[in-house]
Amino acid sequence: AQSVTQLDSQVPVFEEAPVELRCNYSSSVSVYLFWYVQYPNQGLQLLLKYLSGSTLVKGINGFEAEFNKSQTSFHLRKPSVHISDTAEYFCAVSEKRGTALIFGKGTTLSVSS
Amino acid sequence: NAGVTQTPKFQVLKTGQSMTLQCAQDMNHNSMYWYRQDPGMGLRLIYYSASEGTTDKGEVPNGYNVSRLNKREFSLRLESAAPSQTSVYFCASTSGVGGYNEQFFGPGTRLTVL
Repeated sequence: AQSVTQLDSQVPVFEEAPVELRCNYSSSVSVYLFWYVQYPNQGLQLLLKYLSGSTLVKGINGFEAEFNKSQTSFHLRKPSVHISDTAEYFCAVSEKRGTALIFGKGTTLSVSS
Repeated sequence: NAGVTQTPKFQVLKTGQSMTLQCAQDMNHNSMYWYRQDPGMGLRLIYYSASEGTTDKGEVPNGYNVSRLNKREFSLRLESAAPSQTSVYFCASTSGVGGYNEQFFGPGTRLTVL
């Protein structure tokens, strides 16, 4: 069975600092990996996804993530955060033959000035 | 395009009452999903519909029923609401059945059961 572990429930950072949100997954088969963002009182929207090919994936709003198969990780990074990046971030996985996403419990990113 | 719409946005129920959450998408997507979001739990899949006419249970289906009314609409029904069903409910849709497709989410329904 698949599972997703987001290693930090809350990450406070100052504006313009770099940030990394950590995600590990477990699965016995090949998977697709996703990061979604949820701004306050809104639904989720896709930040980026890894399907195949290059292990470094670039997404919207300057975020990127690196797929590491040997460590079963898919960490999200941004070199310089803005106040507007304050949100909850979810890592998710799906099996290549499956239809449903399995989500991690989320990481709350709080950016302050 | 409105994307994925959900009604109502907020609802308060008493224990034992019933209600139906409505979801519609205008993107001609085949697959639709219902999730619940609870603090510290992430999103958990309640039911999904891979295509019109089919529905399948997800991780937490107990206490819920669904209907895929047509390709656009996927409703979630609580027959006898319980306080444990207090949550934020999200509907999502995606174009195909492959796991690689982006899911598009609605704005959510915030349900409180007293």
